[in-house]
Parts: sequence; structure tokens; C-alpha cells
Amino acid sequence: DSGVTQTPKHLITATGQRVTLRCSPRSGDLSVYWYQQSLDQGLQFLIQYYNGEERAKGNILERFSAQQFPDLHSELNLSSLELGDSALYFCASSVDEGMVTGELFFGEGSRLTVL
Amino acid sequence: AQKITQTQPGMFVQEKEAVTLDCTYDTSDQSYGLFWYKQPSSGEMIFLIYQGSYDEQNATEGRYSLNFQKARKSANLVISASQLGDSAMYFCAMRDMGYKLSFGAGTTVTVRA
Repeated sequence: DSGVTQTPKHLITATGQRVTLRCSPRSGDLSVYWYQQSLDQGLQFLIQYYNGEERAKGNILERFSAQQFPDLHSELNLSSLELGDSALYFCASSVDEGMVTGELFFGEGSRLTVL
Repeated sequence: AQKITQTQPGMFVQEKEAVTLDCTYDTSDQSYGLFWYKQPSSGEMIFLIYQGSYDEQNATEGRYSLNFQKARKSANLVISASQLGDSAMYFCAMRDMGYKLSFGAGTTVTVRA
């Protein structure tokens, strides 16, 4: 158990819909990262938050947004869903801003299926 | 732009033998970090080992060791005494100075009894 909690574990929805994925980082971790894993794109970095502020942005679509709340949990919002958004979405957390300690732990992922 | 290359899509290894998974990287940053993760069929990403670019000694964690050759820009993972439970996808990843973690395409390891 990495200590990173993601909900829901599985989600099936229809095209055009909106979903929210939730992540609770490990106790004491201030950074949260979101990744998307799909068969054709592999593991893609989406976005990072550190202590409530956006720190780095990767290949995140405009239809997607995220935020980190004062209690440090994070949510990833996916809207106007398309078939190609079907993927495994991971959240990861680290204690520092830059993974300098080498500790970056992933949650079990949220598997999104868009029909 | 940084790039992580894992050239072995799949490998077979006999139980109790060692296996080396290749990883090369490309970066112009002086400070970076290299990670290896294991992803079993259940899907979770399990952290295995970390090597900082300024670490002079190769990292080791139990049966996992990282063969870090900075000049060659390689960070190969060695799994010793393979077990059936080691069958999984293995990913090499690199953190750059911008704090992004980029992953390679992965190598599937199948351990045979």
C-alpha cells in the first residue's frame, strides 16, 4: 500500500459527460501529480500541484482541469469526454516539490471507460 | 526535450536467474533523477528504486540494483534471483529540473518456473 488513495477505482460513462477523479496524497506529502496511461500514448504527465499551487503542466487537454485543495487532496476534472479519454489515470505524491528525495508513490489508479 | 528509451519490449527469464532491463535517457540537465517502477497485471505502479544524477554509488534495494552509467546515459535495472511474482511491466522514468517525470515505453518481464 503506497498510502496514496484514488477514487473511484473504476468508472464507466458516456461520451460528452463529465467526471471527477479524486486523490488523497500520502500523509505529509505536499505535491500531487496526475498521469494518464493509455495503450497508444503510454504514461503521460498531465499536471502537478504543490501545496495548493500549480507547479508544472504536461500534456493536459483544455477539457481537463485539476486543483489541489487546502487539505492537500486533489481532483482531476474531465469534461466533454471522448472515446479516446478512456485510460488509467494515476495520481502520485511526493513530500517535496521536485521529487528530490526520490520518493514518488503512485495510487492504484482510476480506470475510466468512455462508451 | 528529454527522452527515455527502453528497447526491450518483452523478456523471458528463468526463475532464480538475474535479468537486466535496459534504459537509456537523454537530457541536457545536470541535475536529474532516475526511477524504476513495476506495474503488475493488476495495474498499480510500484516504486522500486531511485538514482540521483549526483549519486556516485549505484542504488540498491533488496533484489533490485540500478546500474548507472552517467557518461553513457544509461540506467539499467538488474533484478537478481527472479521470482514468479516479478512477472510484470517495468518502467524507467526520469525527473528533470522542471520536476516532470517522463516514462519509457516499458519492458514486459515474464518469469518462467
